[in-house]
Formats: sequence, structure tokens, C-alpha cells
Amino acid sequence: EIVMTQSPATLSVSPGERASLSCRASQSFSSNVAWYQQKPGQAPRLLIYRASTRATGVPARFSGSGSGTEFTLTISSLQSEDSAVYYCQQYHNWPPATFGQGTRVEIK
Amino acid sequence: EVQLVQSGGEVKKPGESLKISCQGSGYRFASYWIAWVRQMPGKGLEWMGIIFPGDSDIRYSPSFQGQVTISADKSISTAYLQWSSLKASDTAIYYCARHQGQQEHIDYWGQGTLVTVSS
Repeated sequence: EIVMTQSPATLSVSPGERASLSCRASQSFSSNVAWYQQKPGQAPRLLIYRASTRATGVPARFSGSGSGTEFTLTISSLQSEDSAVYYCQQYHNWPPATFGQGTRVEIK
Repeated sequence: EVQLVQSGGEVKKPGESLKISCQGSGYRFASYWIAWVRQMPGKGLEWMGIIFPGDSDIRYSPSFQGQVTISADKSISTAYLQWSSLKASDTAIYYCARHQGQQEHIDYWGQGTLVTVSS
């Protein structure tokens, strides 16, 4: 089973600042990583797939990068509506298609 | 428009059985894998297992094998998650989610079903 480890657990960022979220995989693989955003009381929403491809309708301030064991979600200029929990997921090898434990992004 | 619509919240007692559902619309239901994802109160997402409705190929996460049963009825575009004997620790929100393909990302999510197990 591939373990996905996210850091930090919580990130506090001022509006307009850059936020970088990390996701490390226990095994190396190419790019089968997705990022999801979950706001309170809502289902998760797909942001990024194949490590760096933005899903339809996702603002350009969200970008993904990485390969191998290190993956990053970057929010270039944080907006108030970006306050949420962000999860990475690998789908390279399932079952299970494991999620990271999540990073909570707070607005300062 | 692709939609996954889940059945409503449930309140059950320990030891009771339960089957919750997820109905897909707006796409060819039989052709896409449907996964179930658990979210315990205040916790993260856990991928439980997956089914391909076209041929009922089912794969379980080792953590959930034997604990739940996944099934589907492609004639009514519906996937199911069931328990034969609920425990208090099964209290959670359960999401169904469509994988874009085998070894592909989740692109659509259901709204979630809250299952509460309490004596």
C-alpha cells in the first residue's frame, strides 16, 4: 500500500500570499496524483489531476507539480474562499487509492 | 451533467444491518468505476473500495475487506455499500465517487450519506 504523507497539518497564510502544500509518497511513481479541496459540510472537489493538470473551472491560482515521491499544490495568491482542507491522493496503484491526511489552510 | 445522488442519512443501532445507495446520471453508469470513501467525524478521507458496474469487478482496500460489501445494479445505475452488523465506529459520512478510469483520478463525488450508529 502506498502511504501519502502531507505537510504541514495546518497552514496559516495572509490573503494575497503564496501557499505551498506538500505531499510525499512512500513509493516512487510518475504522476498519478490528484488534489482535492474540501470545505466544511461539503463533498470534496477535484482541483488537480495527473499531478499538474487543473480540473475544469479551477482558478489559475491553483497549480500542481512534482513526480516520483514529492508532489506540491501551490496557491499563488490566497483568497478568502480558499480556506479549506486539501487532500492529495495517489491512484497509481489500487486498491487502495490512498489519500494523505489533509492540510488545513487558514486565512490569517 | 454528471451527478451522483446518494440516499439520505441513517440512524441505526449497533448490530443492525444497512445498505446505502448512490445513483449515477448524466453518463454511461456501467463504464466508470465507482468508489466508496469514508470520512469519520472530524477526520480525513479513507478509500474503502471500488466497483466497475459493467461487470461487477470489485476491489476492496485491505482495511475494509470483510467489513463492508460493495455491489451495483447497472440496470438502475446504482451502486451500494452495505453492512451486516453495524458498530459505533462505523459512524461517519460515506461518499461515493466516480473514478475517471482504471488508474485514474476521481472526477465526481456524491453529496455524502451520514450514518450514525448509536445505542
